[in-house]
This record gives sequence, C-alpha cells and structure tokens, in this order.
Amino acid sequence: QITLKESGPTLVKPTQTLTLTCSFSGFSLSTFGMGVGWIRQPPGKALQWLALIYWDDDVRYSPSLKTRLTIAKDTSTNQVVLTMTNMDPVDTATYFCAHSMTTGSFDYWGPGSLVTVSS
Amino acid sequence: QSVLTQPPSVSAAPRQRVTISCSGSSSNIVNNGVSWYQQLPGKAPKRLIYNDDRVPSGVSDRFSGSKSGSSASLAISGLQSEDEADYYCSAWDDRLNGPVFGGGTKLTVL
Repeated sequence: QITLKESGPTLVKPTQTLTLTCSFSGFSLSTFGMGVGWIRQPPGKALQWLALIYWDDDVRYSPSLKTRLTIAKDTSTNQVVLTMTNMDPVDTATYFCAHSMTTGSFDYWGPGSLVTVSS
Repeated sequence: QSVLTQPPSVSAAPRQRVTISCSGSSSNIVNNGVSWYQQLPGKAPKRLIYNDDRVPSGVSDRFSGSKSGSSASLAISGLQSEDEADYYCSAWDDRLNGPVFGGGTKLTVL
C-alpha cells in the first residue's frame, strides 16, 4: 500500500526559500521505474506540475520554474525534498507530492500542504 | 494558460452520460498516454484513467477514456451526485520534458 504525505511550513515570507518534504511508504525510490513528483494548485486554480525525480536520479523540472527549484531524494529515509527559492505571494498554493512510474502519470497522491506566502 | 485545453464546465442530470474533452498537440496527447483525475472539493486528485483508456483497479467502470489524434475524452455514465467534482486531463509533453495538465473542468450534476 503506497502512501505519501507532505510536510513543511504553512507560512513563508516573500523572498524566502520554501523547503517541503514528502515522506512516503509502500515503495522504494531505488526500485526501477519509481518516481516522485511535486504538483501545486493555487486556490481556485488548476494543477501545475513542478518537478519529478526518478529511481535513477533523473530529475525533471517545469521549464517556467526551473531556476528556482531543486528536488532531491533520500532513499534511506524514504523522503523527497523540494526547495523553491525567492518565494512570492503568487506561489501561494497547496503543494502535493505524488508517486509516478516513468510515464509521468500520478497514481498515488499525498493529501497536500497549503503554503501561504505573505509578509 | 494550460497546455491542454478543457471546457471550464459541463453539466448533466443524474443517470445521464457526460463527456469531457481535452485538446492538446503532437508534443503531448498525440504521442503519449493521457491520464484523467477527479478532484473532490478540498481533496487530493484521484487518478481515474491512465494510458488513454485504462481504468485502475478500484475505479468504477462508469468512467471510461478515449483518444483520437490530439484530443482525448473522459466519459462518465450513470451520473451520480457524488460525481460532482473537478476533472483534469494530463499527458507527458516531449517538448517541455514533463507532464502537463489541462485547466480543469467542473462537473455539475443537475
């Protein structure tokens, strides 16, 4: 049974760096084909993919946010960490992590973590 | 503006059938599998369809997917009140090198 859960700050100030952790169970990110992605959703708006990391350390970033994002995995603790620099109020959103195989389709999702950017 | 285009809203009466369209291009839908997600208010998305028309175990067979060229569709038959939700399509985009989502469609069961 695959489960994921996001954790991190609920409030960050403009220009600060956001660090979110996805803790998962039921699979290993050292197993062939496995991946974890981050997707966000501003209030009342659509889903937006941010980043993906695969079992073989292949990483992909949304081109529009690539300069601000870093994704990393820790297979020993079953965690994936996303950092986003230079936060702005428009980055206020619910941030989801999700499990994916190589197709980029997300079959299991965490409940989401609302992050508000405000001074 | 989303890479994949969906109608903002659709509606239908209980027990009717409704379809939601998703339009893309050769860099995404044409050459890659389409997934569909259902998002209930305040909840995380749930995958309903993958690889264009595959239904995951545990998902009702009232949901079906299809694809033709650069467009995909989600059909929901025997509409129920609990189907009221937002629906999103998604596909890998070879040009952007990652998955892209549609803008979402709000389904209202009249």
